[in-house]
Amino acid sequence: NAGVTQTPKFQVLKTGQSMTLQCAQDMNHEYMSWYRQDPGMGLRLIHYSVGAGITDQGEVPNGYNVSRSTTEDFPLRLLSAAPSQTSVYFCASRGTASGANVLTFGAGSRLTVL
Amino acid sequence: KQEVTQIPAALSVPEGENLVLNCSFTDSAIYNLQWFRQDPGKGLTSLLLIQSSQREQTSGRLNASLDKSSGRSTLYIAASQPGDSATYLCAVEWRSQGNLIFGKGTKLSVKP
Repeated sequence: NAGVTQTPKFQVLKTGQSMTLQCAQDMNHEYMSWYRQDPGMGLRLIHYSVGAGITDQGEVPNGYNVSRSTTEDFPLRLLSAAPSQTSVYFCASRGTASGANVLTFGAGSRLTVL
Repeated sequence: KQEVTQIPAALSVPEGENLVLNCSFTDSAIYNLQWFRQDPGKGLTSLLLIQSSQREQTSGRLNASLDKSSGRSTLYIAASQPGDSATYLCAVEWRSQGNLIFGKGTKLSVKP
């Protein structure tokens, strides 16, 4: 089915470990983004990309790294996990053609850092 | 700073009522505004998107309006049903880069 696929759905890490959250979309969308959702804080933008090879920082980029080597994939890397990065992470994408501006979200990845 | 605010944070209504959810934003030079629904433990589903040049959008029992000059949008839900219970999120895209800023949401509970 067409859409945004995130893996893994659940992950537990120890402080200091690194990991990558995967995000893939098969809709040929140019724009992709990562958000984190925390109770009382809403969704906050981490990083975003307007196309392959182009990325930029959002509101809360510290401790995260991204790259966009293909149109389809936009992985989010946690360099050295901290308990403050315990959150639910959402990847999203949208196209740029007229009528294709709706943002489509993945199902989310729940990360716990001990 | 560009910000999005949603009031109220929570709302409880009896089934059948018409209701309005509010969203306000700083900086009226928006590209578009979207309303989303989120069920507990789930992802976000887009309900309505209003482009900067539009004043409203409708889908079934939902109607979203946009007033850029006052920095406000409303989501009107007609004849509410228990299945409408969810958190409703408003998000604004100021530049066409897919980088939306979200409000904190309104948690709606519709009682049978």
